[in-house]
Amino acid sequence: AQKVTQAQTEISVVEKEDVTLDCVYETRDTTYYLFWYKQPPSGELVFLIRRNSFDEQNEISGRYSWNFQKSTSSFNFTITASQVVDSAVYFCALSEPYSGGGADGLTFGKGTHLIIQP
Amino acid sequence: GAVVSQHPSRVICKSGTSVKIECRSLDFQATTMFWYRQFPKQSLMLMATSNEGSKATYEQGVEKDKFLINHASLTLSTLTVTSAHPEDSSFYICSARPPGLAGGTTSTDTQYFGPGTRLTVL
Repeated sequence: AQKVTQAQTEISVVEKEDVTLDCVYETRDTTYYLFWYKQPPSGELVFLIRRNSFDEQNEISGRYSWNFQKSTSSFNFTITASQVVDSAVYFCALSEPYSGGGADGLTFGKGTHLIIQP
Repeated sequence: GAVVSQHPSRVICKSGTSVKIECRSLDFQATTMFWYRQFPKQSLMLMATSNEGSKATYEQGVEKDKFLINHASLTLSTLTVTSAHPEDSSFYICSARPPGLAGGTTSTDTQYFGPGTRLTVL
């Protein structure tokens, strides 16, 4: 069975601080996908990143960076120089592949509510 | 990019009525769509996988007779909540997956989420 743990229920920081959101996953599959989504108050999910299990390279996209470590089954997300607009709930998710290629249904963590104070 | 729409965005109904929610992929064909449910301040839970032209696959604990799923075309899946009750009030989100390319994965092959439907049952 798959499981995603986001131990941080809520994080509050002051604007311009760096913040790291933790994600630990469990799966028996050797091939899998990891995702991060942002959910603002409107409710719509915003796709941030997808990472394949065989690609352990860290990724940076502007102020966002992701640290994937298979040895610790973690896929952490860091926001550098946080801004008020970053305030949202962030979900980490896990999926196994399906035979046609791509990801299957997602198993989500419970989410981390990030509050950026001005 | 790929766009998925949901209709309605918000619905309020009386207990005992049935409610239909539509999920459409606007600029791509989706052989598979997924339905998730999110209770307030909680995570998203996968309810079922909807495959075009075949029966949906439900996750454990999800009543298939209560949550009817129809994936009649490559761009439309519907979720009908039958005889809705207050405990069915939730945020329902669909996602659509484009067909995978032969030979394995691609960086563009992922799920695209709709904006969600907020259901309130009185």
